[in-house]
Amino acid sequence: RKEVEQDPGPFNVPEGATVAFNCTYSNSASQSFFWYRQDCRKEPKLLMSVYSSGNEDGRFTAQLNRASQYISLLIRDSKLSDSATYLCTFSGSARQLTFGSGTQLTVLP
Amino acid sequence: GAVVSQHPSWVICKSGTSVKIECRSLDFQATTMFWYRQFPKQSLMLMATSNEGSKATYEQGVEKDKFLINHASLTLSTLTVTSAHPEDSSFYICSASPQGLGTDTQYFGPGTRLTVL
Repeated sequence: RKEVEQDPGPFNVPEGATVAFNCTYSNSASQSFFWYRQDCRKEPKLLMSVYSSGNEDGRFTAQLNRASQYISLLIRDSKLSDSATYLCTFSGSARQLTFGSGTQLTVLP
Repeated sequence: GAVVSQHPSWVICKSGTSVKIECRSLDFQATTMFWYRQFPKQSLMLMATSNEGSKATYEQGVEKDKFLINHASLTLSTLTVTSAHPEDSSFYICSASPQGLGTDTQYFGPGTRLTVL
């Protein structure tokens, strides 16, 4: 089983739609969780950290479920500029990040 | 804040040559930096963890003699791809985490696109 699994998509949604991504992880010792976004041929950029209590940043909401070992990202009122690949990742004790394969999102006008 | 730079941003070289990539944290110190590689349509794969003042830690399957890492200061790590071959063509990205902030957040450099002919 892969350490991190994501639905690769692609997700094609109209502007204004709400879209959700899930990501499962196998290492129960994982300590910190993040969502990054990566635009084509660019480096990943941190979108948000993920906490057990859930956290929200504008149109973005992230959740962590340790019992079921998954994290989620919800994007509301999606914009054209949200089109990107979304990577879930977690860090272990040595702080290195393990990335999922990414979920591709295209927001259509 | 938390800016990481990489140089060069792209490089094209002939097979058999060596290529050095620099990763710098511009406004913070980092005792640890990470080197990743990303092939087209694939995710980032951690190659090695670069530790200031000590040897790098390589992930399984990554040849330490081929991918030489030097972390000479708290703001600079270099990756040298020795005797590069076409299969080494990839997007190489470094990351660093500001020390002392009690956070695992990593900031990525803009990446170096290597093409080996």
